[in-house]
Amino acid sequence: QSALTQPASMSGSPGQSITISCTGTSSDVGGYNYVSWYQQHPGKAPKLMIYDVSKRPSGVSDRFSGSKSGNTASLTISGLQAEDEADYHCCSYAGSSTYVVFGGGTKLTVL
Amino acid sequence: QVQLQESGPGLVKPSETLSLTCTVSGASISGSYWSWIRQAPGKGLEWIGYIHSSGNTNYDPSLKSRITISVDTSKNQFSLKLSSVTAADTAVYYCARIGSGGARWDYWGQGTLVTVSS
Repeated sequence: QSALTQPASMSGSPGQSITISCTGTSSDVGGYNYVSWYQQHPGKAPKLMIYDVSKRPSGVSDRFSGSKSGNTASLTISGLQAEDEADYHCCSYAGSSTYVVFGGGTKLTVL
Repeated sequence: QVQLQESGPGLVKPSETLSLTCTVSGASISGSYWSWIRQAPGKGLEWIGYIHSSGNTNYDPSLKSRITISVDTSKNQFSLKLSSVTAADTAVYYCARIGSGGARWDYWGQGTLVTVSS
């Protein structure tokens, strides 16, 4: 069982917006502004999409945005495209010993 | 462009030691933190541990007794050893660079599947 809770699957139509949640505790998501999100296509390595809750690495589309409220972080994808169909994983810093915890991943289907 | 490539046996027998190496190209391994992450079939990601080029390490508490991560700056490589493996250690193992600021991975290897089976 993963430390962070994500919905197992979500779906949306092209052009729509979708928000994936990632719920933790005050010891991880709620305690630090170090949440990151990764996109993973089948058989491929994860790709960093969001870091420090809401920052985008160079080259990542601005259709991807991140936010946090309390112990829950969110990834919003606007203007869904077929290429967004992938697994999305959230991750949070959890202190110097545990270091990080991951969510179980959310499989996004673009209908 | 920073590139990472995992190498090592794809099949390990139960109770033996899993050994993987990550070769970094396009950047010096010095001055950065480098990590191992794994993903069991159909499961989420799991952080294993990290090492700084200076040799400083931090390991997942649940795996700490079985893990050794080392670095060879002369070869621009870092390595993972996981002892006493069981079927539960079957996973795709990724090496990755921790981005500046920490707690995120900005460059990843393609991953290598390690199966634990007799």
